[in-house]
Amino acid sequence: AQKITQTQPGMFVQEKEAVTLDCTYDTSDPSYGLFWYKQPSSGEMIFLIYQGSYDQQNATEGRYSLNFQKARKSANLVISASQLGDSAMYFCAMREGGTGRRALTFGSGTRLQVQP
Amino acid sequence: EAQVTQNPRYLITVTGKKLTVTCSQNMNHEYMSWYRQDPGLGLRQIYYSMNVEVTDKGDVPEGYKVSRKEKRNFPLILESPSPNQTSLYFCASSPRDRGPAGELFFGEGSRLTVL
Repeated sequence: AQKITQTQPGMFVQEKEAVTLDCTYDTSDPSYGLFWYKQPSSGEMIFLIYQGSYDQQNATEGRYSLNFQKARKSANLVISASQLGDSAMYFCAMREGGTGRRALTFGSGTRLQVQP
Repeated sequence: EAQVTQNPRYLITVTGKKLTVTCSQNMNHEYMSWYRQDPGLGLRQIYYSMNVEVTDKGDVPEGYKVSRKEKRNFPLILESPSPNQTSLYFCASSPRDRGPAGELFFGEGSRLTVL
C-alpha cells in the first residue's frame, strides 16, 4: 500500500495567489514526521518544512505552511503569495519513528507551475 | 559551507561496465543514504548507513553495493550496470539521533544513463 499519496500530478496557480498541494499518508506508528521538499528544474532537493506527529500547531516557514489534519492523515502544503520561482516539483515525505532506517518515504510528487 | 557532494553529476555508460558514484559530506553526520528518483515513483531508498562500517538495504538494493569506511564518505557501486538502473541518484545525510525529525540533506544528484 502507498504510504504517501500525492493525487495532483500537476497544478497551475497565478502569481501572487495561494496554492495548496495535497498529501495523504498511511502509518500505524504513533511517532512520525512529515516533510516537504522542493525540486526545481536544476534537480536539487530543497527542504521546505517539517511537521511532527506530536506537534500541536501547524508548522510554518515563511510563505510555507503545513495544514496538518491528523485524524484525516493529511499534510497539505500551502504556499502563500506564489512567485514565479516557486515553479518546481514538490514532494511530500514521511519518516516513521519506530524504524531504525531513518528512511524518508516519498510520494510521487506534484509539479507546480506559477503563471504570470 | 555545509554540503553533500556527489560525483559525477552526469554519466553515460554501457551495460556491464562497473562504475562508482562518490558521495562525501562535511557535516559530521552519522547517517547517510542513497536514493534513486524515477518519474512517477518519487524517490526510493537504495541503501543506508547508520555509521562507519554499518550499512543495510533499503527498498531497492538489487544491483547496487555500498561501503562506509569513513564517516564522511558513502560511495555507491554498480558492479554490472543495466539499462534499468538509468536514473537520477541522490546521496543524503542527516544526524542520527533525532527520532522522526531531522531533515535529510541531499547532494545535487547524479544523472546516470546506462546504454
